[in-house]
Amino acid sequence: NAGVTQTPKFQVLKTGQSMTLQCAQDMNHNSMYWYRQDPGMGLRLIYYSASEGTTDKGEVPNGYNVSRLNKREFSLRLESAAPSQTSVYFCASSERPTQGGQPQHFGDGTRLSIL
Amino acid sequence: AQRVTQPEKLLSVFKGAPVELKCNYSYSGSPELFWYVQYSRQRLQLLLRHISRESIKGFTADLNKGETSFHLKKPFAQEEDSAMYYCAPLFSGGYNKLIFGAGTRLAVHP
Repeated sequence: NAGVTQTPKFQVLKTGQSMTLQCAQDMNHNSMYWYRQDPGMGLRLIYYSASEGTTDKGEVPNGYNVSRLNKREFSLRLESAAPSQTSVYFCASSERPTQGGQPQHFGDGTRLSIL
Repeated sequence: AQRVTQPEKLLSVFKGAPVELKCNYSYSGSPELFWYVQYSRQRLQLLLRHISRESIKGFTADLNKGETSFHLKKPFAQEEDSAMYYCAPLFSGGYNKLIFGAGTRLAVHP
């Protein structure tokens, strides 16, 4: 019962390198989200996809791009990594955009360090 | 601005003691309100939602619109309640934004 699967779990990058964080869900959910969590702070929304074929910016989108590849997969790309992007990244999904009590289901997170 | 505050980073209690994890939000409207929990080595997951008026694992959450608070309570804490707890109001707008608080770590000691 995988739910939301994120890869990789850990990654170390050098400043300026690029990488893509992968996320897939097997619950047939329409909406998917990318968050980052920094020490002492709550999760902050980077980008979201309300439904297949749409993506929109969240609170902290600068330095990131996303692709909703299909209904299952939602990837997050760092084109030129910066130390300020060192964080733990969480992917989540929900049946519909979160409202009316719809819960979000989370992955295990990706711990990303940028040197 | 929409904001959510969990004033305690750490709440340490003994087993059987009452627990109250505080959450305050700033918003002119009436948000939907959620509490999420992350147990050790587990994923972040929904604990309860105000709209359901439910009690999960003995926890309840009272909405106080006057004080704009949504505190999480349990009358008798258990060791298995030890976890990180996040308050998450949902603010409506162009996108219904789920804003997470910084979290409170609850440690229940035997």
